[in-house]
Amino acid sequence: EAQVTQNPRYLITVTGKKLTVTCSQNMNHEYMSWYRQDPGLGLRQIYYSMNVEVTDKGDVPEGYKVSRKEKRNFPLILESPSPNQTSLYFCASSYTRPGVTGAFFGQGTRLTVV
Amino acid sequence: GQQVMQIPQYQHVQEGEDFTTYCNSSTTLSNIQWYKQRPGGHPVFLIQLVKSGEVKKQKRLTFQFGEAKKNSSLHITATQTTDVGTYFCADNAGNMLTFGGGTRLMVKP
Repeated sequence: EAQVTQNPRYLITVTGKKLTVTCSQNMNHEYMSWYRQDPGLGLRQIYYSMNVEVTDKGDVPEGYKVSRKEKRNFPLILESPSPNQTSLYFCASSYTRPGVTGAFFGQGTRLTVV
Repeated sequence: GQQVMQIPQYQHVQEGEDFTTYCNSSTTLSNIQWYKQRPGGHPVFLIQLVKSGEVKKQKRLTFQFGEAKKNSSLHITATQTTDVGTYFCADNAGNMLTFGGGTRLMVKP
């Protein structure tokens, strides 16, 4: 089954404790991206990757890092999480840029930073 | 960056009534995509509009792209309880998707 898998689904952590949210897709997609969703703000793009070893900043990259060492995986790293990073995070993928077939989203990771 | 405004933010309708959400931008939109997110779920791609004035239909859903490519709309005819969720538009420009704030649709049976 074609899917984008994120882990964990829920995470509560403390300020400053490094964490990684994993994202994996099984569709051989070149393009992957991370979004955060906050009430009233829609989804805002954090980082995206056009292909292996090619990553770029989205609209809200501060406080986040990503890597793309393999085509299928695109982890999101928070080196020193802060409470304003409490949000719902989505990973998404598509064949190339979010073209005609749109983006496939993972199930989401709800992160709380206390 | 590009700003995409979506109205209304919320809409309550009685089952069977029609529903419309609007997506607006002060600058020209590249391509517009529409997504639906069920409560507790993830966004699911519905459609992409590319051409000025384009109209596409999916059963009870009608999608339009404005002539000047500065606005788009999604219209649902005779809503059903299964239509409940948040509808997002997104500008597919360059290598990024820029989303509107979404319209949350609630349907009373």
